[in-house]
Amino acid sequence: EIVLTQSPATLSLSPGERATLSCRASQSVRSSLAWYQQKPGQAPRLLIYDASNRATGIPARFSGSGSGTDFTLTISSLEPEDFAVYYCQQRSNLFTFGPGTKVNIK
Amino acid sequence: QVQLVQSGAEVKKPGASVKVSCKASGYNFIAYYIQWVRQAPGQGLEWMGWINPNSGGTDYAQKFQGRVTMTRDTSISTAYMELNRLRSDDTAVYYCARPYCDSSTCYLGWLDPWGQGTLITVSS
Repeated sequence: EIVLTQSPATLSLSPGERATLSCRASQSVRSSLAWYQQKPGQAPRLLIYDASNRATGIPARFSGSGSGTDFTLTISSLEPEDFAVYYCQQRSNLFTFGPGTKVNIK
Repeated sequence: QVQLVQSGAEVKKPGASVKVSCKASGYNFIAYYIQWVRQAPGQGLEWMGWINPNSGGTDYAQKFQGRVTMTRDTSISTAYMELNRLRSDDTAVYYCARPYCDSSTCYLGWLDPWGQGTLITVSS
């Protein structure tokens, strides 16, 4: 099973700041990685797929990069609605999710 | 619009079974796999498996093999996930989800949209 680790576990930032979230895979997943956002009481929402493609309707302030084992989700300037938990997910070998990064308001 | 609507919350006793439904609308049900993901309270996401609504073929995460059964009823565009021999650590929100499609391609494994989730509580 491919294990995904995310760092940091929690990120405390202010609106307008840049957020950089990391996801590392236990073995190469090529570009088969996605990012989801989840707010309390809601289902996850797909943000980024195939490492760097924004899903339909996702604002341009969200961007993804990386390949192989190291990936990054960047939120260029945090909006109030961006404070949430972010999960990475791979589909290279079945499907697994990372443990999540919580982005808190500082 | 594409929508997945799940059945309501349930409380079950340890050892019992639960069957969660996921009704699809707004698209051709048999054309897209349905996947199931669960989330224990305050925890992360865990993939359980998928069903091909066209053939009925399934693939389950190893952790759930022997305890989970995914089925579908194409006449009512509904997928089902049944989990047996429930334990307290099966308490979770269970989600169904469909593969994400952009303007040209659908991607098995990238999930969007999702159902609203079904809370299953296992307690004596």
